Amino acid sequence: NAGVMQNPRHLVRRRGQEARLRCSPMKGHSHVYWYRQLPEEGLKFMVYLQKENIIDESGMPKERFSAEFPKEGPSILRIQQVVRGDSAAYFCASSGTGRDTEAFFGQGTRLTVV
Amino acid sequence: TQLLEQSPQFLSIQEGENLTVYCNSSSVFSSLQWYRQEPGEGPVLLVTVVTGGEVKKLKRLTFQFGDARKDSSLHITAAQPGDTGLYLCAGVWGETSGSRLTFGEGTQLTVNP
Repeated sequence: NAGVMQNPRHLVRRRGQEARLRCSPMKGHSHVYWYRQLPEEGLKFMVYLQKENIIDESGMPKERFSAEFPKEGPSILRIQQVVRGDSAAYFCASSGTGRDTEAFFGQGTRLTVV
Repeated sequence: TQLLEQSPQFLSIQEGENLTVYCNSSSVFSSLQWYRQEPGEGPVLLVTVVTGGEVKKLKRLTFQFGDARKDSSLHITAAQPGDTGLYLCAGVWGETSGSRLTFGEGTQLTVNP
């Protein structure tokens, strides 16, 4: 049973470009969460999605950031017009249905904006 | 917004020593998870605690959940260099959506040989 798969592992973008980060949840998981981690800090919640629905986006910046989890295919975190401050590790986690089920994390995408 | 305080932030000890990491909140947790993260990798789940007063052991690691479910601790006995890493506690509160986690800032543990 494959774990949470994120790609790419590393992504370099110039300021003003778009970044697309992909996450395929564990098999059987229908809940996806995106977190951001700055160097030497904990993870900060960004958005929680279920298939075709955004459930909670309270941690996601209002501008330039968007997320989707289509019926088919991976979840996508999209950052438009990236700035240097967007440089961070972005982690995706997935869980099954039901409250308080355990969340399992992918290896992350390290975004560097130059 | 629920806050989760983790201490100490940094810990450097010698091989064979014991240590304890603490995780505290002013609110009652629905559940709490401990993760370990190595450089360049995602967090790896160590344990989930749900019941107040619960104690779970994982080899040399002992996890305790406070009776009031507002705090937790991780105790490592006879630490080894392989225990080096970032230890994160993460909580779920009340009717928080799904398994959305709020993380502490982490404890960076270094075990010197």
